[in-house]
Amino acid sequence: AQSVAQPEDQVNVAEGNPLTVKCTYSVSGNPYLFWYVQYPNRGLQFLLKYITGDNLVKGSYGFEAEFNKSQTSFHLKKPSALVSDSALYFCAVRGPNTGGFKTIFGAGTRLFVKA
Amino acid sequence: GAVVSQHPSRVICKSGTSVKIECRSLDFQATTMFWYRQFPKQSLMLMATSNEGSKATYEQGVEKDKFLINHASLTLSTLTVTSAHPEDSSFYICSATPRGQNPGNTIYFGEGSWLTVV
Repeated sequence: AQSVAQPEDQVNVAEGNPLTVKCTYSVSGNPYLFWYVQYPNRGLQFLLKYITGDNLVKGSYGFEAEFNKSQTSFHLKKPSALVSDSALYFCAVRGPNTGGFKTIFGAGTRLFVKA
Repeated sequence: GAVVSQHPSRVICKSGTSVKIECRSLDFQATTMFWYRQFPKQSLMLMATSNEGSKATYEQGVEKDKFLINHASLTLSTLTVTSAHPEDSSFYICSATPRGQNPGNTIYFGEGSWLTVV
């Protein structure tokens, strides 16, 4: 079955420290990979995506993600966390084998950044 | 970037009544829109795919007669929760992809609608 895994329910990091939110996927073919952020009681905001090309993708608000095909991972990273980065982060996959290009979401990882 | 608007952002209705949620793409045309449901502290559950000018495609386990979807134009899809019950209370989110673009392009989400059935 096609799936996306975010192994951590919650990530805690101190402000100014680097952060990583993990994502692995199990989708056949060449999927498209996305990261979204959700603030309380709000919809999802697009952060970045990998389609093809350079494995390191840079996105909004200083976030970046590295696509690793051999490990089927797409971890989200930021060199220096801000308190305002605290939110719920979703990894998502879309592709020809996800049922008509539907988006499959991970369970989400809650990021807490302490001042 | 592209904007997707949902209305209302919050609605409270009585059990047994119906409530309609609108999803509009404000600056692009969307032949396909998606409706999701999100329970507290959980991921998004795809309910149905809304196709302009044709019937919606529902995911397994989603009652199509309870969750009516109408995609009457290239910029508007509506979700009507019929005969609502308290267990229908949830956060509903729509998303849309610009018409004509390939599936690798970004999907844009609405701000979501909180439904509370009392």
